Amino acid sequence: KAGVTQTPRYLIKTRGQQVTLSCSPISGHRSVSWYQQTPGQGLQFLFEYFSETQRNKGNFPGRFSGRQFSNSRSEMNVSTLELGDSALYLCASSLWGVTEAFFGQGTRLTVV
Amino acid sequence: KNEVEQSPQNLTAQEGEFITINCSYSVGISALHWLQQHPGGGIVSLFMLSSGKKKHGRLIATINIQEKHSSLHITASHPRDSAVYICAAGLNSGGSNYKLTFGKGTLLTVNP
Repeated sequence: KAGVTQTPRYLIKTRGQQVTLSCSPISGHRSVSWYQQTPGQGLQFLFEYFSETQRNKGNFPGRFSGRQFSNSRSEMNVSTLELGDSALYLCASSLWGVTEAFFGQGTRLTVV
Repeated sequence: KNEVEQSPQNLTAQEGEFITINCSYSVGISALHWLQQHPGGGIVSLFMLSSGKKKHGRLIATINIQEKHSSLHITASHPRDSAVYICAAGLNSGGSNYKLTFGKGTLLTVNP
């Protein structure tokens, strides 16, 4: 069974640009959550999607957005990139809310 | 104050030693997750528990709901156990609405 796949693995972007990250969950999983990990703040919850609906959102500015498609694949978008957006972005999939989460390898975003 | 506190932040052990990592949380939870992160970023889910104790190989996780405390134990530690161990409190805010709040992680180094 394939695991959670995140693409791309690495990205370098310039301040002011926008970026889109992709997450393909484990087959059959309907919940996809996104997290940001930085050395200073650790892991922080961004948002969670279930059946194409955002059910939960963390404390991040509106520049961070996401969506989920009918096949449960999810994308997150960050507009007007800032240096502080440099981080490892992880997604996790689960069958539904209160079940074990499986994480992808992450996308390491560097904003210069 | 972080809702999830881990201790210690750093832990160095000799191969074969018994390891304990502690996690305290200040909110009611649906489940407590223990995660392992190796250099490079990928996160592996070790345990998800809501009561009692779980064991997988040399790893044991326990939780005391009344005391809002969980421990992760590693018996007969090995250098390949070197990683960051993260506990996360799973909060169910209604229906299938589920969100993880993370501790800062414990960096474990096991020397041969």
